[in-house]
Amino acid sequence: QKEVEQNSGPLSVPEGAIASLNCTYSDRGSQSFFWYRQYSGKSPELIMFIYSNGDKEDGRFTAQLNKASQYVSLLIRDSQPSDSATYLCAVNGGYNFNKFYFGSGTKLNVKP
Amino acid sequence: EAQVTQNPRYLITVTGKKLTVTCSQNMNHEYMSWYRQDPGLGLRQIYYSMNVEVTDKGDVPEGYKVSRKEKRNFPLILESPSPNQTSLYFCASSGQGLLETQYFGPGTRLLVL
Repeated sequence: QKEVEQNSGPLSVPEGAIASLNCTYSDRGSQSFFWYRQYSGKSPELIMFIYSNGDKEDGRFTAQLNKASQYVSLLIRDSQPSDSATYLCAVNGGYNFNKFYFGSGTKLNVKP
Repeated sequence: EAQVTQNPRYLITVTGKKLTVTCSQNMNHEYMSWYRQDPGLGLRQIYYSMNVEVTDKGDVPEGYKVSRKEKRNFPLILESPSPNQTSLYFCASSGQGLLETQYFGPGTRLLVL
């Protein structure tokens, strides 16, 4: 079983819609959860992190964490074509929080 | 400008020929890490370093070596590269702490023939 699972997509949404990206993780001890965006041919860049159960909002982005269900999601409101990228979910190791585990990413296409 | 640099950006080599990929950061970060990215497998951590002279294995350390003699540099060494090490490699750095953002370098695309 992979440490972090994501649907590879592609997820296609029309411009202006809400895109919902999901991630599950296996280590119940994980404490930090990150969402990175990676454009084709580029390096990952952080969108946001979350460590407490519930929602965290930053502009058009909302991260949701449910530790009981071992589930993290990212909502992108008012999706724009420039949001088209691969979104990577990352969690730190529960036993060793200096180790990081990434999902394989979900490719998002926002259609104009 | 705060950044993580990697060199070379592209490298074609042959099986068994030792190579080093350099990584340098100018943010005075304690934590540095190497990842490889393969289609369908995402980013996998190879090695990480908490500080000078402190390194530890990530998820896929076999066939790789690292060293951290200076805070700013964290080279990745492939003593005897094999074709299964063909991949896209990223170096990253961050401050200490659970919630520190990792800043990634531009990546090094390696092809081992």
